[in-house]
Amino acid sequence: KAGVTQTPRYLIKTRGQQVTLSCSPISGHRSVSWYQQTPGQGLQFLFEYFSETQRNKGNFPGRFSGRQFSNSRSEMNVSTLELGDSALYLCASSRAGGAGTDTQYFGPGTRLTVL
Amino acid sequence: DAKTTQPNSMESNEEEPVHLPCNHSTISGTDYIHWYRQLPSQGPEYVIHGLTSNVNNRMASLAIAEDRKSSTLILHRATLRDAAVYYCILSGGAQKLVFGQGTRLTINP
Repeated sequence: KAGVTQTPRYLIKTRGQQVTLSCSPISGHRSVSWYQQTPGQGLQFLFEYFSETQRNKGNFPGRFSGRQFSNSRSEMNVSTLELGDSALYLCASSRAGGAGTDTQYFGPGTRLTVL
Repeated sequence: DAKTTQPNSMESNEEEPVHLPCNHSTISGTDYIHWYRQLPSQGPEYVIHGLTSNVNNRMASLAIAEDRKSSTLILHRATLRDAAVYYCILSGGAQKLVFGQGTRLTINP
């Protein structure tokens, strides 16, 4: 079974631009979560979508947004990019079994560099 | 979110067992204990999880203290491929993982 795929793998943008990252979950998985990883802050939860609805949200500014489509694929958007947004953005999918038992499967990430 | 405490780094030798500790004194009754690891240049991967009883799978074993305030991930025979950052995470009902700094495991040949 194919794993979680993320596109693009690498991206270079300049300050003030916006960017859209894409994530295709494992077939049959309905939950998609997004994380940001930086050397200083480590791995931080951005948001989680299930059945096209945002269920959980981390502590990030409104410039970070996302959506999920009916086929469970998800996109995240960052508007008005800042230098501090340079990071590895990871997507994870799960069946969404709930009760904290669900295993999350991570993609390889998109490395975003903001110049 | 309940927090976990792990040593920043640990070192072991190839083909020896490795015990990675995690303290979670504020764990709630509904929190599951999850372990993920992140190999260099890869996304995190699931290792094991448990609630109260010890758990075994093909990758590792998870030993949970009776009071659930600590747990230990056991790699029975470490290989060079096990060198990674290991994260101990508490997960309740919410579909999100709160990562700490993890333990960087180095395996010596």
